[in-house]
Amino acid sequence: DTGVSQDPRHKITKRGQNVTFRCDPISEHNRLYWYRQTLGQGPEFLTYFQNEAQLEKSRLLSDRFSAERPKGSFSTLEIQRTEQGDSAMYLCASSLVGGRVETQYFGPGTRLLVL
Amino acid sequence: GQQVMQIPQYQHVQEGEDFTTYCNSSTTLSNIQWYKQRPGGHPVFLIQLVKSGEVKKQKRLTFQFGEAKKNSSLHITATQTTDVGTYFCANKDTGRRALTFGSGTRLQVQP
Repeated sequence: DTGVSQDPRHKITKRGQNVTFRCDPISEHNRLYWYRQTLGQGPEFLTYFQNEAQLEKSRLLSDRFSAERPKGSFSTLEIQRTEQGDSAMYLCASSLVGGRVETQYFGPGTRLLVL
Repeated sequence: GQQVMQIPQYQHVQEGEDFTTYCNSSTTLSNIQWYKQRPGGHPVFLIQLVKSGEVKKQKRLTFQFGEAKKNSSLHITATQTTDVGTYFCANKDTGRRALTFGSGTRLQVQP
């Protein structure tokens, strides 16, 4: 499978714990995005990388959230001191610069439940 | 980002009926993208529109971008059960890479 993959697919944690999610983009895609989606809503942008550089962060990304893409390939999203409001689907997407339309390809997501 | 509003929130149709979802903005949009998300799935890119008045077709799906570039629609002719899912419009602000999604229209098709 050469699509975007995310791990884990599901995560249940207790409030106050830290969690880390991983995203493996499509090979050779140089842009990687993180979105959050709650039930009945569209995805909300969190942050994006071009290669290893984090170029944009949403106001939604509080200081408890941190994302990395150390070698310009896979990325991790860490949430520290989780809160119940962090419960959501965390989606990763990747795209390739160039071409007329930049198509973002989404992964299956990591569903987080904070108890 | 520029906010896009989608209507209706939910539509239930009989198989074979047509379906339309609308995406509206109070400001001019540089482009509009449409995505489909199946139940339990992830968003899948359908199409991008950039020109005023643009109309594109994909089999039974017809996408339109308004003349003023403030609204867009997705029309499905003769729905099938495989069309079930949530349809999102999304916009990418000029100079930004992030997409701003609408809240989506959930389509249910009764066989």
